Amino acid sequence: SAVISQKPSRDICQRGTSLTIQCQVDSQVTMMFWYRQQPGQSLTLIATANQGSEATYESGFVIDKFPISRPNLTFSTLTVSNMSPEDSSIYLCSVDPGKGEKLFFGSGTQLSVL
Amino acid sequence: GQSLEQPSEVTAVEGAIVQINCTYQTSGFYGLSWYQQHDGGAPTFLSYNALDGLEETGRFSSFLSRSDSYGYLLLQELQMKDSASYFCAVRRTGRRALTFGSGTRLQVQP
Repeated sequence: SAVISQKPSRDICQRGTSLTIQCQVDSQVTMMFWYRQQPGQSLTLIATANQGSEATYESGFVIDKFPISRPNLTFSTLTVSNMSPEDSSIYLCSVDPGKGEKLFFGSGTQLSVL
Repeated sequence: GQSLEQPSEVTAVEGAIVQINCTYQTSGFYGLSWYQQHDGGAPTFLSYNALDGLEETGRFSSFLSRSDSYGYLLLQELQMKDSASYFCAVRRTGRRALTFGSGTRLQVQP
């Protein structure tokens, strides 16, 4: 299993600013994933972050907009850059500490952009 | 591309049994997972099927038919606390990340 501490839990930001979301895991994991979820909607994968290499972004997401750091096996950050109201969403980090059968999720960051 | 289809809403009464279906289209299918998410909470893992058949975990069971690209989650002895959204998710060969369905909102009534 894995326990994930994600912060901030929520924030209200102004258009054009940036927010960095932090994700700390209580064990070493190879892969961390960042998802986005609109309230009442599905989870959409933003990127996969491996320690020691560039993050891999899904179609529709780019590094300039969502830069990711993965400095070690227990920590990652996702930055939402130059925010617009369309970025208002819940952002979730997740890890797979095992063999790919089970993901554990952080509690999420609810972002509102005015 | 990939797609997963599941009903948007299901309503059932306490003590009943409910089945939530999921059909998927994807290349390189590896396994099907189910997650539960309460309002305001994080998704939590319920079940995983890589092979055809039924997996049982307490009141929850999950079924997979790879030939039909179909699976379902079965919830028995429904309780009020089971009211939540349920997501099926596909894992593809060579990838550890999951692709999630649109979710089924289950409402359990007294």
